[in-house]
Amino acid sequence: QVQLVQSGAEVKKPGASVKVSCKASGYTFTTYYIHWVRQAPGQGLEWMGIISPSDGSTSYAQKFQGRVTMTRDTSTSTVYMEVSSLRSEDTAVYHCARGEYSNRPFDYWGQGTLVTVSS
Amino acid sequence: DIVVTQSPDSLAVSLGERATINCKSSQSVLYTSNNKNSLAWYQQKPGQPPKLLIYWASTRESGVPDRFSGSGSGTDFTLTISSLLAEDVAVYYCQQYYSTPITFGQGTRLEIK
Repeated sequence: QVQLVQSGAEVKKPGASVKVSCKASGYTFTTYYIHWVRQAPGQGLEWMGIISPSDGSTSYAQKFQGRVTMTRDTSTSTVYMEVSSLRSEDTAVYHCARGEYSNRPFDYWGQGTLVTVSS
Repeated sequence: DIVVTQSPDSLAVSLGERATINCKSSQSVLYTSNNKNSLAWYQQKPGQPPKLLIYWASTRESGVPDRFSGSGSGTDFTLTISSLLAEDVAVYYCQQYYSTPITFGQGTRLEIK
């Protein structure tokens, strides 16, 4: 069965970086795009960007350009999302989600990773 | 960017009654390659990731009960729950996947009256 399993919760200080992983299983890793979506406490869903596991190409929301980096490791079917220069407003649950193409809905989601930014 | 706006922000419906949530996009999300609207609906319960309910505006995801239905085209869309069950209490989001940045509505909180 399709699964996206994310790494555990993180606590970081302002200015630090965090790297969240998303390990895919149950399907051919390179045939589906992976999106990252975040959700601040009690708030809605915010799309951060997308990576193609096939060729590693990425596209980021303008808000996150220069501060977010998405990478992948095809040998372990894992996608990574790193956010740098963390600030308190980055405190959120970060989700990875799968889409068949870049312009398709998200049919499977990871369980979410809580990142808390606090001094 | 395509702005997606839901209404209402919250909704209280009696068990067994119909619930209707609206979603409006700031521009058409009609995908001309298949003549379908690039609009999805998700259900999110506390502590869980969102779950895909409806895509292409009206296609039910596998395993989703048929009391959930989607309709609409162009810029105006609706999610209908025909007969509300207690397990349907959740926040519902619409999403346009026509173009990046992919955008979501602000969410509608559905409760039991």
